[in-house]
Amino acid sequence: NAGVTQTPKFRVLKTGQSMTLLCAQDMNHEYMYWYRQDPGMGLRLIHYSVGEGTTAKGEVPDGYNVSRLKKQNFLLGLESAAPSQTSVYFCASTLAGHPEAQYFGPGTRLTVL
Amino acid sequence: GDSVTQMEGPVTLSEEAFLTINCTYTATGYPSLFWYVQYPGEGLQLLLKATKADDKGSNKGFEATYRKETTSFHLEKGSVQVSDSAVYFCALSDRHGGKLIFGQGTTLQVKP
Repeated sequence: NAGVTQTPKFRVLKTGQSMTLLCAQDMNHEYMYWYRQDPGMGLRLIHYSVGEGTTAKGEVPDGYNVSRLKKQNFLLGLESAAPSQTSVYFCASTLAGHPEAQYFGPGTRLTVL
Repeated sequence: GDSVTQMEGPVTLSEEAFLTINCTYTATGYPSLFWYVQYPGEGLQLLLKATKADDKGSNKGFEATYRKETTSFHLEKGSVQVSDSAVYFCALSDRHGGKLIFGQGTTLQVKP
C-alpha cells in the first residue's frame, strides 16, 4: 500500500515549456486535490476532483489544467510554464465527505527559469 | 470568503518549554477545524481536529479547543521536544465539506 505518490519529485523548466505532474493513490479515494505551497502563504488549492471524470477549480486555477480519467490518478498540467509557477506542489486524496482526512503525497519541487 | 490566520513564525523554543501557536478563523456557519503538521521534506499529516464548539482535539501531547466565541483554535503543548520541530498549519473545512482552507503555516524550531 503506497498511499499517495507523486511523479516527478523535482523538475526544472524553462519559461514556456509544458509538463504534467502525476498523482496516484491506491486507497480507492473518491476525492483528489492539487495544492501549491509557497513561503508565507500556506497551501492554496489549485484544482480538485470529487470523482472520476469530474474536476473543479480551486483558489488559484489560472495557468493549470487537470484531468481525472481514472479514479486512482489525478494529473496536473502546465501548458506554458511561468516563473510565478515555481513552487512545491502537493497532491492529496480522501474519502468522500472527509476533507480532514486528506492523505498527502511527498510533493514535487518545480522551478521555472 | 472563509479564511484562517495564524501567528507568524518562526517560533523558537528550548526543549520542554510550553508551546502556543495562535489560530483564528473567519467562516460562514460552523466549520470543522484542524491542525496539520509538516515535517521537513514531507507532505502534511493531520495532527488533531475538532468538529463543533467547545470540542477539544488532542494527539501526541498537542491540544486545541474550538472556541466559537473568539473564533479561535490555538494549538498548545505543555513540553515540546526537538522532534516536534516542523511547520504547523491550521485549517478549516468549507461549508460543503469538500475542501480545506489553510492558514499560512507556523514554523516551530525546538533547540536542545
